[in-house]
Amino acid sequence: EAQVTQNPRYLITVTGKKLTVTCSQNMNHEYMSWYRQDPGLGLRQIYYSMNVEVTDKGDVPEGYKVSRKEKRNFPLILESPSPNQTSLYFCASSPGTGEAYEQYFGPGTRLTVT
Amino acid sequence: LAKTTQPISMDSYEGQEVNITCSHNNIATNDYITWYQQFPSQGPRFIIQGYKTKVTNEVASLFIPADRKSSTLSLPRVSLSDTAVYYCLVGENTGFQKLVFGTGTRLLVSP
Repeated sequence: EAQVTQNPRYLITVTGKKLTVTCSQNMNHEYMSWYRQDPGLGLRQIYYSMNVEVTDKGDVPEGYKVSRKEKRNFPLILESPSPNQTSLYFCASSPGTGEAYEQYFGPGTRLTVT
Repeated sequence: LAKTTQPISMDSYEGQEVNITCSHNNIATNDYITWYQQFPSQGPRFIIQGYKTKVTNEVASLFIPADRKSSTLSLPRVSLSDTAVYYCLVGENTGFQKLVFGTGTRLLVSP
C-alpha cells in the first residue's frame, strides 16, 4: 500500500531533550516536506527536500533540522525542543514531476514539549 | 503565491449538495487551483485540481469561471463522513510547490 508513515504518532517530552520524528514513504517520491499545524494558523511548512541531499527552509524552520540521506526517509530533528514547538506535525511527499500536484500526507505526530 | 479567501464554516444536512467558494483575485497565469480535505487529527487529503472551466472526479466537482478569480468546490449529496475542513490552494502545477494552507472551511454535516 502506498503510504507515508511517521513515528512516533504521539510524543511527550521535556524542554531541551533532543528528539527525532521519522518519516518514510514507499512511493519513490522525490519531494518530501514537513508541516506543523497549530490552531488558528493552519499548516505551515517547516522544511522541504527536492531530492536526496537537497533540502531547504520553509516558512518556519527555526528550531528544526532535517536530513535526506535516502530517498524514502526524511527525519525531522528537534535539537533542543521548547514548549512553542508543541504542535501537530505532518510529513508529506510528492512525485515532484508530471502530475505531481497531489501531495500525500502522513498520519501526523502530536508532540507536546513541557 | 496567490492568497485565497474561503468561508470559515458551513453547515449542511445529509443528502444535500454543498458548494464551497474560494476567492483568489491575484491568481497567476501558471497557477492551478487545488482542494484538500482534512479530518480531525489526520493529514490533508487531495480532492481535486483544476485550471479552468469544470473538473469532475468521483468525489467532487470544481467549477472555475473564465476570469479564474474564484472557484467553487461542489460536493454532491454529502454524508456525515464529509464533515471536515476543506482547503483551497493556488499555485503552480508541480509537486515542488510549497502548499500554503489557510484556515480552510469547516464543513459540518448534520443528520
